[in-house]
Amino acid sequence: EPEVTQTPSHQVTQMGQEVILRCVPISNHLYFYWYRQILGQKVEFLVSFYNNEISEKSEIFDDQFSVERPDGSNFTLKIRSTKLEDSAMYFCASSEAGTGGTSPLHFGNGTRLTVT
Amino acid sequence: GNSVTQMEGPVTLSEEAFLTINCTYTATGYPSLFWYVQYPGEGLQLLLKATKADDKGSNKGFEATYRKETTSFHLEKGSVQVSDSAVYFCALRNQGAQKLVFGQGTRLTINP
Repeated sequence: EPEVTQTPSHQVTQMGQEVILRCVPISNHLYFYWYRQILGQKVEFLVSFYNNEISEKSEIFDDQFSVERPDGSNFTLKIRSTKLEDSAMYFCASSEAGTGGTSPLHFGNGTRLTVT
Repeated sequence: GNSVTQMEGPVTLSEEAFLTINCTYTATGYPSLFWYVQYPGEGLQLLLKATKADDKGSNKGFEATYRKETTSFHLEKGSVQVSDSAVYFCALRNQGAQKLVFGQGTRLTINP
C-alpha cells in the first residue's frame, strides 16, 4: 500500500537555526498538510497546500514557517529560525482530491524535531 | 467552529475487556468522522471512518457509529488485546473542507 514518507525521523538543531523537514506524499494525492504534536499534547493543524499554494493555515503557522513543493514529489516545511517551543513531532499528510471531505488523510511516521 | 472532544484518559483495561472511548463533536456542516490510532513510536494510522449519519465504521474489531442526534462517534471493541495499547484520536473533516480537526487523544493501556 502506498504511504507517506518523511525524512529525517529525528532532527536536532540549535535555537535560531533553520530546519527543513521533508515529505514525499502519496503519488496520486493532491492535498498536502503539515501537523505537529508537542509531546503528550493534541495533534495541531499547521497548513494545507493545494495546487502549489497554501489553501489554509493556522495561527501557529506564522512568518517563521514556509512550505514548498520544489518538484513533483517532495513537500517541505521550513522553519527559518527555530525556537525551543518548536520542539515537537511534525507529521506530513496527504489526501485525495474531489471527495467532498470524505477521504481520510494519510500520515507519515513523523519527524521528531528537538531544538536545544 | 469545528471541534472534537474525547473522553479523558488514560484508560487502563485488562485483556478481553470491553472498550468504549467516547467522542463528541461540534461542526458547522456535515462532517466525516474518523478514528486514528498512534502506536508507541509510530505515526497516525487511520483506524476507521464514517461519512454520514448512521454509518458504522469498522476495522480490526473496532467499531464506531456516526450518531447525528447526539453528535457522537464513540469507539468500541468487544474484547481488547495487549496489542491495542496505543493513543486513539477522534477527528472530523467538514464537508468540502480540507483539514482534519483532532480531539485531544486518549491513551489506552491493556494489561495481560
